[in-house]
Amino acid sequence: ELKVEQNPLFLSMQEGKNYTIYCNYSTTSDRLYWYRQDPGKSLESLFVLLSNGAVKQEGRLMASLDTKARLSTLHITAAVHDLSATYFCAARNAGGTSYGKLTFGQGTILTVHP
Amino acid sequence: EPEVTQTPSHQVTQMGQEVILRCVPISNHLYFYWYRQILGQKVEFLVSFYNNEISEKSEIFDDQFSVERPDGSNFTLKIRSTKLEDSAMYFCASSEANGGLATGDEQFFGPGTRLTVL
Repeated sequence: ELKVEQNPLFLSMQEGKNYTIYCNYSTTSDRLYWYRQDPGKSLESLFVLLSNGAVKQEGRLMASLDTKARLSTLHITAAVHDLSATYFCAARNAGGTSYGKLTFGQGTILTVHP
Repeated sequence: EPEVTQTPSHQVTQMGQEVILRCVPISNHLYFYWYRQILGQKVEFLVSFYNNEISEKSEIFDDQFSVERPDGSNFTLKIRSTKLEDSAMYFCASSEANGGLATGDEQFFGPGTRLTVL
């Protein structure tokens, strides 16, 4: 059974600082997703990572995937208050009888303060 | 920009009552999903649906749950006899594809329905 674990679960950052959220998954996965969720809101897709070594960047966020280590990272550069939200990674089972089921991590609650 | 819509945004019901949560997936999408998120917890998969039948379901999706695509646009989740522990945010998602090397299998989530069972 695919398991996904994120750390840290809580992250308090100062504006302007850099930090990384880690996402480990337990078995082979062919897709790794990062989502953002604001309080009481839905999930906003940030990145889809398809292959080993994939790196994607959007603004102050950069995501990478290492399939051999079963690890994805979400790096935050020069944090600003607007980035405060909960960030989820989700992995999809590779092949077998899975039909797109995503397994989510616990989420990382990010708070950026002055 | 096309988006997944859900109604109602908030549903309050008494324990034991039936509820139907409605979703309109993105029009050219073929794969549909329901997930739920209990307050403060992670998002959990319930069921996936393709070609008018369930493709996969989780342990949570027991006999009290059912899904249906009654027409060409709606996708519904029915809970026959609600329990207190069914209180959660329910998200519908859809994707264009489901596999291969295409990126069209990205799942787009609706705004959610908050279900409160009293």
